[in-house]
Amino acid sequence: DVKVTQSSRYLVKRTGEKVFLECVQDMDHENMFWYRQDPGLGLRLIYFSYDVKMKEKGDIPEGYSVSREKKERFSLILESASTNQTSMYLCASRQGHLNQPQHFGDGTRLSIL
Amino acid sequence: DAKTTQPNSMESNEEEPVHLPCNHSTISGTDYIHWYRQLPSQGPEYVIHGLTSNVNNRMASLAIAEDRKSSTLILHRATLRDAAVYYCIPDTSGTYKYIFGTGTRLKVLA
Repeated sequence: DVKVTQSSRYLVKRTGEKVFLECVQDMDHENMFWYRQDPGLGLRLIYFSYDVKMKEKGDIPEGYSVSREKKERFSLILESASTNQTSMYLCASRQGHLNQPQHFGDGTRLSIL
Repeated sequence: DAKTTQPNSMESNEEEPVHLPCNHSTISGTDYIHWYRQLPSQGPEYVIHGLTSNVNNRMASLAIAEDRKSSTLILHRATLRDAAVYYCIPDTSGTYKYIFGTGTRLKVLA
């Protein structure tokens, strides 16, 4: 089975801090994704990467950046955390062929105080 | 982007079959339909996907209408562990994006 592992289930940080969320997948997938999920807004795509060192903005990239130096790891960076970035963050990966399903991690619930 | 319409909520009795509908009338001819479910405090879990014909796996069956404007996810015998929010998502060809709607919250009664 595909395993997508997010480094923390719960995280509490302070306003203005630089925050790193890590995601690792073990299936040699080319594509990786970061979403956030908020009540009433559903899942929204922040960034995705279709290969190592490649990245594309999703629907809500403002205030975030990403890094993909190795195929198995995709990091989401909050440059200067703000309270409106309190959310559930979900990482996903999939094979590089279109129409293949995405596989999600269990999420990181991030609170910015 | 193809849009989907699902009922907000459904109920089923344990051990009975459940049919979860999804309308995707704007889907294009090459878009697969993917189904996911999300249990509380977990990430979405892949259930099944298909293009034109009906599909089966160990979790569920997927029935796709001949005109592809709708599909139905079938859980053959609902259990309490199937209580979740179910999403149908057109996998739009040529893009990497999933667009998650609000899904159907399935309640399973013991």
